[in-house]
Amino acid sequence: QKEVEQDPGPLSVPEGAIVSLNCTYSNSAFQYFMWYRQYSRKGPELLMYTYSSGNKEDGRFTAQVDKSSKYISLFIRDSQPSDSATYLCAMSQGGNYKLTFGKGTLLTVNP
Amino acid sequence: GAVVSQHPSWVICKSGTSVKIECRSLDFQATTMFWYRQFPKQSLMLMATSNEGSKATYEQGVEKDKFLINHASLTLSTLTVTSAHPEDSSFYICSARAGDRDGYTFGSGTRLTVV
Repeated sequence: QKEVEQDPGPLSVPEGAIVSLNCTYSNSAFQYFMWYRQYSRKGPELLMYTYSSGNKEDGRFTAQVDKSSKYISLFIRDSQPSDSATYLCAMSQGGNYKLTFGKGTLLTVNP
Repeated sequence: GAVVSQHPSWVICKSGTSVKIECRSLDFQATTMFWYRQFPKQSLMLMATSNEGSKATYEQGVEKDKFLINHASLTLSTLTVTSAHPEDSSFYICSARAGDRDGYTFGSGTRLTVV
């Protein structure tokens, strides 16, 4: 079993739809959870950063962490064509610990 | 916000030559930087952790003599791919954590093509 599992998609939605992305993990030591957006041939851009369980909202983005289920989610409301990218979940045990990434989900938002 | 600058953004080199990639933290000091490699449609795979003033820590399966990492200052880490071969062609990305700021900031990546 991989440490972090993420459905690679691809996922295609119409503009304005609510997008749900998620990852599961097996290492209970993970404490910090992140979502990154990566456009083609670019470095990942941090979208959301969450410590331990709970919800965090930033504009159209909401991140949820359920440590009891080892499950994290990213919701995108009112999706836009500019949201089309690969979304990577990542997690770490904390501090300057290395990040472990999911495979990424390719999202396309159609106008 | 924290900015990590990575150069070059792309490079083509001949097989057998060496290539150096630079990663700079522009507005913060980074005692630790990370180097990743990403193949097409694959996720980021950590190659090594670069620590300022000490030897890098390599992940299992990564040849430390082939991928030389130098972290001589708090704002600069370099990755040198020595005696590059076509199978080293990939997207290399560095990242750093900006002190007490949340998350890890990534450079824009370097696409290496070995011909």
